[in-house]
Amino acid sequence: GQQLNQSPQSMFIQEGEDVSMNCTSSSIFNTWLWYKQDPGEGPVLLIALYKAGELTSNGRLTAQFGITRKDSFLNISASIPSDVGIYFCAGHLYVYNQGGKLIFGQGTELSVKP
Amino acid sequence: NAGVTQTPKFQVLKTGQSMTLQCAQDMNHNSMYWYRQDPGMGLRLIYYSASEGTTDKGEVPNGYNVSRLNKREFSLRLESAAPSQTSVYFCASSITGFYGYTFGSGTRLTVV
Repeated sequence: GQQLNQSPQSMFIQEGEDVSMNCTSSSIFNTWLWYKQDPGEGPVLLIALYKAGELTSNGRLTAQFGITRKDSFLNISASIPSDVGIYFCAGHLYVYNQGGKLIFGQGTELSVKP
Repeated sequence: NAGVTQTPKFQVLKTGQSMTLQCAQDMNHNSMYWYRQDPGMGLRLIYYSASEGTTDKGEVPNGYNVSRLNKREFSLRLESAAPSQTSVYFCASSITGFYGYTFGSGTRLTVV
């Protein structure tokens, strides 16, 4: 089946540092999405990207839809303790006879040292 | 708050017991999904319902059944719970996956 490779799997950073994570796939997606999951909660949508090359910001978060449509990255600037959680990328594609599907990456677990 | 509501939030079952996880959304979404989340495994799709009246298997359907009761509600049933089904279960819904899914807050299930 379709696979999304998300890296890194986990990271410990110092408060105030910038963070970068990315996802790559062998499939071409027509949407890239980034979610954050706080401890004990469900994933919440942070950023949605709909066009190849699109660069979108949401506060301290910036995400880009790769030109090849097979990759995306998420940057967090000046990290703070509440950035702790698991970040998931997801790509949307249409599969013949199955309709649209959202494929999720394995997640990047972010921990911040105070 | 509008969104996806899951019940119960926590549950402990003995091996062999059955239970139904409930999910309801009030956003008039067409599609609904059940995922399980295990450490290091990400989100794995169990079953989904593209529209009212239809259900399809996902990546890990064995041991589960689903019912799309109406447009709002999509339930997940464990007929005979096994320890391997200890997990966090998430329900999600969408108008179309192109714009992403909205997730519930999860049910934490332990089978002993």
